[in-house]
Amino acid sequence: SQQGEEDPQALSIQEGENATMNCSYKTSINNLQWYRQNSGRGLVHLILIRSNEREKHSGRLRVTLDTSKKSSSLLITASRAADTASYFCASRMGGSARQLTFGSGTQLTVLP
Amino acid sequence: NAGVTQTPKFRVLKTGQSMTLLCAQDMNHEYMYWYRQDPGMGLRLIHYSVGEGTTAKGEVPDGYNVSRLKKQNFLLGLESAAPSQTSVYFCASSWGLEPNEQFFGPGTRLTVL
Repeated sequence: SQQGEEDPQALSIQEGENATMNCSYKTSINNLQWYRQNSGRGLVHLILIRSNEREKHSGRLRVTLDTSKKSSSLLITASRAADTASYFCASRMGGSARQLTFGSGTQLTVLP
Repeated sequence: NAGVTQTPKFRVLKTGQSMTLLCAQDMNHEYMYWYRQDPGMGLRLIHYSVGEGTTAKGEVPDGYNVSRLKKQNFLLGLESAAPSQTSVYFCASSWGLEPNEQFFGPGTRLTVL
């Protein structure tokens, strides 16, 4: 079973609007990461947030983590058509876990 | 740097045939991974390796074998392909436990008839 579940499954917005995607996970984690996948391509790492962090920024990206609710959100501000892609959260469980567990993804469409 | 490369990009097999997918990375990463991605789903881990000569099972290892004879290469084998193995396969690598940001290859689209 997958560690992460994302919400919504699909999101369509106008260029310039903000996009928010949510991820929930089941067990305690060491860190949580967000990846982007353009159609027909491999995944690209966007940002990592550790379990002792609550918020992190990178350019137009803002990630929050609430370990008490076992959830994370990714906010993309001032979206562009080029942001159209699938977005996945991936969690690394605590302890010596060596692998990431990926969620099922959110398909974001940004309309020009 | 080429990053992570995968060979081949596309392949069509008949049920029962075998094949090997090759993954290569030039970043001197210790960890390497094989995933499969099916429509509307995230990635599921097949096998992974934490160093040359080591391999470990992931979430969906049945029907696959792997080898990591050289640090830069990670091979995924299908001994007797089944239609259920039709998927897109991604290879990834990372430095190790920390940081464990993963770098992905472009994928191999495999169809088993």
